[in-house]
Amino acid sequence: GENVEQHPSTLSVQEGDSAVIKCTYSDSASNYFPWYKQELGKRPQLIIDIRSNVGEKKDQRIAVTLNKTAKHFSLHITETQPEDSAVYFCAAIQSGNTPLVFGKGTRLSVIA
Amino acid sequence: DAGVTQSPTHLIKTRGQQVTLRCSPKSGHDTVSWYQQALGQGPQFIFQYYEEEERQRGNFPDRFSGHQFPNYSSELNVNALLLGDSALYLCASSLAGAGETQYFGPGTRLLVL
Repeated sequence: GENVEQHPSTLSVQEGDSAVIKCTYSDSASNYFPWYKQELGKRPQLIIDIRSNVGEKKDQRIAVTLNKTAKHFSLHITETQPEDSAVYFCAAIQSGNTPLVFGKGTRLSVIA
Repeated sequence: DAGVTQSPTHLIKTRGQQVTLRCSPKSGHDTVSWYQQALGQGPQFIFQYYEEEERQRGNFPDRFSGHQFPNYSSELNVNALLLGDSALYLCASSLAGAGETQYFGPGTRLLVL
């Protein structure tokens, strides 16, 4: 089955700097890669996703890149703000009939 | 447009007891997936329901069972609770045939003493 590795497990950046979180996946059949943000005590919230026919997607300060050949994808947050502090999870899925497989998460701290 | 809702928000049980958690999917969604999230970990897939049937199941024992109703809402039942079942239980809803995007409910935090 699918296995998703996520790095780093913790990340501290100064406000205004960029943050990058990287994930690798094992199943080449996976074709949908969402990113979730989870604040303490709250639900995982979908922040951006990318499908396998696209190499990059951007939404304001957030972007995701996908390298299907290398089976890795990354989350990029620019101009970080204190409210970006949270745990971020990457995930991979083959189709709507298969389960989301999550990475172990990255705790991002943005220091003002 | 109602989002995913879950009840109860918190629950305390003792070992050996049984628990039922409930989920109502986002309006227009027909598929419900359940996940267990232990402290400091990513969500782990339990099972998925579509058309009132269990479509996929993760690596969880038979003590974990579920049900989906005609209105697409779903229940997760856990029998013979163990201390290790203490976790945040999340349900996620999606629309079959419309892609894989899943939206999570707020979760039920279960504590087993």
